[in-house]
Amino acid sequence: DTGVSQDPRHKITKRGQNVTFRCDPISEHNRLYWYRQTLGQGPEFLTYFQNEAQLEKSRLLSDRFSAERPKGSFSTLEIQRTEQGDSAMYLCASSLERARSTDTQYFGPGTRLTVL
Amino acid sequence: QKEVEQNSGPLSVPEGAIASLNCTYSDRVSQSFFWYRQYSGKSPELIMSIYSNGDKEDGRFTAQLNKASQYVSLLIRDSQPSDSATYLCAGSGGGADGLTFGKGTHLIIQP
Repeated sequence: DTGVSQDPRHKITKRGQNVTFRCDPISEHNRLYWYRQTLGQGPEFLTYFQNEAQLEKSRLLSDRFSAERPKGSFSTLEIQRTEQGDSAMYLCASSLERARSTDTQYFGPGTRLTVL
Repeated sequence: QKEVEQNSGPLSVPEGAIASLNCTYSDRVSQSFFWYRQYSGKSPELIMSIYSNGDKEDGRFTAQLNKASQYVSLLIRDSQPSDSATYLCAGSGGGADGLTFGKGTHLIIQP
């Protein structure tokens, strides 16, 4: 499978615990995005990497959230001290930089987080 | 005005008919547009992108963009029950921007 992969697919945790999600983008894609989606809503942008550099962060990304992309390959999203409001589907997308138009983003299967 | 707006539906269309999905947007996300299909519990799957005014066709799907009216639509011809899903409209301000999504329109194709 050469698409975007995410791990784990499901995570159940207790409030206050830390969780970490992983995303492996399509191999030749240099851009990687994280989104969050709650029931009945469209995905909301969280943050974006070009290679290993984190270039943009949404105001939705509180101090409890941190993302990394070491060596410009896979990325991790960590949520510290989880809250029930963090329960959502966390989606990763990747794209290949295009000179004159907006990248087309391809989504992974997502990680569904449930905070009890 | 929200940046990308869609009617949440549900939109019910008989099998074989044309389904018409609509989306309006604000100035900030006015460069490029994408339609994604999302089945319940699954992640968004790209259907089409459109960047210029006019129509773009791909198989049974046609995307239409009218920048003067800030309106983008998706037509699905010969609708099939497997087309039943939520359709997400997304806009971008250009380049590497994160996409701004609407809430999605729930489409039901009735056999």
